[in-house]
Amino acid sequence: SQKIEQNSEALNIQEGKTATLTCNYTNYSPAYLQWYRQDPGRGPVFLLLIRENEKEKRKERLKVTFDTTLKQSLFHITASQPADSATYLCALDPGGGNKLTFGTGTQLKVEL
Amino acid sequence: EAGVAQSPRYKIIEKRQSVAFWCNPISGHATLYWYQQILGQGPKLLIQFQNNGVVDDSQLPKDRFSAERLKGVDSTLKIQPAKLEDSAVYLCASSLDPDISGNTIYFGEGSWLTVV
Repeated sequence: SQKIEQNSEALNIQEGKTATLTCNYTNYSPAYLQWYRQDPGRGPVFLLLIRENEKEKRKERLKVTFDTTLKQSLFHITASQPADSATYLCALDPGGGNKLTFGTGTQLKVEL
Repeated sequence: EAGVAQSPRYKIIEKRQSVAFWCNPISGHATLYWYQQILGQGPKLLIQFQNNGVVDDSQLPKDRFSAERLKGVDSTLKIQPAKLEDSAVYLCASSLDPDISGNTIYFGEGSWLTVV
């Protein structure tokens, strides 16, 4: 069956460091992979989308990589700030209509 | 631009009672989604509408859940009768073009349901 795995344990890092979050998947061939941010009590907010034929995508301090051979995406936040503390969700889309399957999310805590 | 509006924000009901959630998507968005997010899990798609037609409802527990999108705009999700395991956040979302993957999906703040 299809499975999406994100680190279930919270990731704690110091301000200014680079945070790296992992999304692994099995039995899936996504055409697109998306990353969302979710704050407590709020709905997810779209951050970045990467296509299967793209290796890397950047947006300001964010970088996403997509390795379809390893079946893995890495999400990086450089120069992290306490305001980056949130849960980050990866979502896979097989293509053909935005039918997203979400991972369980990884909670990031950036400490001063 | 106004975001996706949902109400009520919070609801507490007893098991076997019914509840309804309302969603108003972003103006002009053809696709509307209802997701269920149980605490500690990622959102799970319940139903996807394109205009007022159902695109995917394969994960909707149809014996107790129903949803409609009249006139291709607002939508209502109903649960009757509710079970304890229905306690979750119900997220409504919308996107612009239903036929193109890679569209940004915009989520509402969610309706928090507690079944006691």
